Amino acid sequence: AQKVTQAQTEISVVEKEDVTLDCVYETRDTTYYLFWYKQPPSGELVFLIRRNSFDEQNEISGRYSWNFQKSTSSFNFTITASQVVDSAVYFCALSEAHSRTGANSKLTFGKGITLSVRP
Amino acid sequence: DVKVTQSSRYLVKRTGEKVFLECVQDMDHENMFWYRQDPGLGLRLIYFSYDVKMKEKGDIPEGYSVSREKKERFSLILESASTNQTSMYLCASSLGLVQPQHFGDGTRLSIL
Repeated sequence: AQKVTQAQTEISVVEKEDVTLDCVYETRDTTYYLFWYKQPPSGELVFLIRRNSFDEQNEISGRYSWNFQKSTSSFNFTITASQVVDSAVYFCALSEAHSRTGANSKLTFGKGITLSVRP
Repeated sequence: DVKVTQSSRYLVKRTGEKVFLECVQDMDHENMFWYRQDPGLGLRLIYFSYDVKMKEKGDIPEGYSVSREKKERFSLILESASTNQTSMYLCASSLGLVQPQHFGDGTRLSIL
């Protein structure tokens, strides 16, 4: 069965610090997708990024960057120069892509990391 | 932008009541999902649907049922509400099963 582990439960930083959120996954499939979502205090989950298992290139989007390493089954998320608006719960998720109709096509979420950025 | 609308932001019901949570999406997405979110447990999938009138059980379907009579609407039904079903319920939709899911604002349901 697939599994996503976000070992950090709560992180608190001061504004402008860099912070890395860790995500480790387990899957038996060779084809899968990894996601990061942000849940601000308002409650709605916001999609941040999707990465497929064949693309190990790191990605940067503004202050956000993602480091995907298949060798360690990790998909870590770094926020550079954090801001108060980054305060949220961040979820990493895994989806296996080998079946259209079976339950294996669902997302498995980690338990989330609560990030607090203090002014 | 995709809009996923959940009918209520907050809901209070009594034990034993039949409860309906409604979700509507406006982007003609094939797939719709219901999750519950509890502190320390993250999001857990209750049911999902990949087509009209089709449904698949998720990780925790017990005590719930779903209905998808129209493509844009996916309803979650608590047949006989119990206090352990007090939770935040999140609806989502996606174009394909491995496409990003778009979430509604959530319904915070309290069962007294």
